[in-house]
Amino acid sequence: SAVISQKPSRDICQRGTSLTIQCQVDSQVTMMFWYRQQPGQSLTLIATANQGSEATYESGFVIDKFPISRPNLTFSTLTVSNMSPEDSSIYLCSVTPGSRGHEQYFGPGTRLTVT
Amino acid sequence: GENVEQHPSTLSVQEGDSAVIKCTYSDSASNYFPWYKQELGKRPQLIIDIRSNVGEKKDQRIAVTLNKTAKHFSLHITETQPEDSAVYFCAASSSKSTFGDGTTLTVKP
Repeated sequence: SAVISQKPSRDICQRGTSLTIQCQVDSQVTMMFWYRQQPGQSLTLIATANQGSEATYESGFVIDKFPISRPNLTFSTLTVSNMSPEDSSIYLCSVTPGSRGHEQYFGPGTRLTVT
Repeated sequence: GENVEQHPSTLSVQEGDSAVIKCTYSDSASNYFPWYKQELGKRPQLIIDIRSNVGEKKDQRIAVTLNKTAKHFSLHITETQPEDSAVYFCAASSSKSTFGDGTTLTVKP
């Protein structure tokens, strides 16, 4: 499986500010995804990060709020913009290496608290 | 889009007993069905998966079954141990995964 790291691991931010989360993989992967997991809840897909093109967003998530970059096959960023307390959550990067079909692996997550 | 329902939401068993978690899905295009285990404060970890051309798969104490006609799949854990206590998520996937709401499994020593 791929080794995935995320930075920062946690942060406390003021409302109205923005935070950029980085996801780094130790090998090239086919697919990269960003999920949100609120306490005690399931995993909600925010978007698929596409290498060299705009991300594909799920219903309820927009680019202005969650801009995503994927400059290459091993790195992606998610920005949470103009934050409010409702954005407090764990944000997880996930990858599908591609060499073994659909298998999907998760990064350690970024715990965001907005005050 | 895909809709995945997972039952039960909580499950408590005695150590050594079996545990079964069931999921149904709605999209017949889904062809990959993974199960994840998430311990408190940790990331979800893939524990077993099954593809649509297979009816059953086993890996030591865990097994997954799939009924494509009925659109349901199940996770079976035998000889449960306290370290099996965690939240388990099922998912259904074609190009992207849709997750169930999770089952909190507690194994009592």
